[in-house]
Amino acid sequence: TQLLEQSPQFLSIQEGENLTVYCNSSSVFSSLQWYRQEPGEGPVLLVTVVTGGEVKKLKRLTFQFGDARKDSSLHITAAQPGDTGLYLCAGAGGGATNKLIFGTGTLLAVQP
Amino acid sequence: SQTIHQWPATLVQPVGSPLSLECTVEGTSNPNLYWYRQAAGRGLQLLFYSVGIGQISSEVPQNLSASRPQDRQFILSSKKLLLSDSGFYLCAWSVAEDTEAFFGQGTRLTVV
Repeated sequence: TQLLEQSPQFLSIQEGENLTVYCNSSSVFSSLQWYRQEPGEGPVLLVTVVTGGEVKKLKRLTFQFGDARKDSSLHITAAQPGDTGLYLCAGAGGGATNKLIFGTGTLLAVQP
Repeated sequence: SQTIHQWPATLVQPVGSPLSLECTVEGTSNPNLYWYRQAAGRGLQLLFYSVGIGQISSEVPQNLSASRPQDRQFILSSKKLLLSDSGFYLCAWSVAEDTEAFFGQGTRLTVV
């Protein structure tokens, strides 16, 4: 069974602080996606990384795909209350499959 | 443009009653379709995925089943609900497993 473990599970920080969320697996994925989810809604895609070692930036968010394509990280600089939400990584293409496997989630709360 | 509809939004059902959640996609053909279940503040557990009509892959043995009677229709069912079936159910579609997944609004199921 493919598993994607995220850490930390919960994170409460003050506005302006930096944070990093980790997504780890023993499986190799052809690509990895990051989503953010608001309460009562479905997740919305933030970014997709496909190359080992790839780094993508989305304003204050920096995403990195591990060299071995088994792990990824999300770094947020100068967090704002609007960043509050559930962050989910999702791995695709682990073998000859058509399934998208989601991580365990990181619940982020940014206090003003 | 593509849209995904999932209903109902909330559902309260007694133990032992049947279940039918429906999901339809518009504006695309032959999508990958997924059913996920989510515990509060946690990641998404993949329940079923489908790459075509009548093709269903089950990820977790359980009290639920899925069907795809039409290309853009995905149904989650149960003959007899258990208390442990309570949760937030999300339907999603994608062009392929490594492309963006688009989610419905979710169904909050409470089994009493």
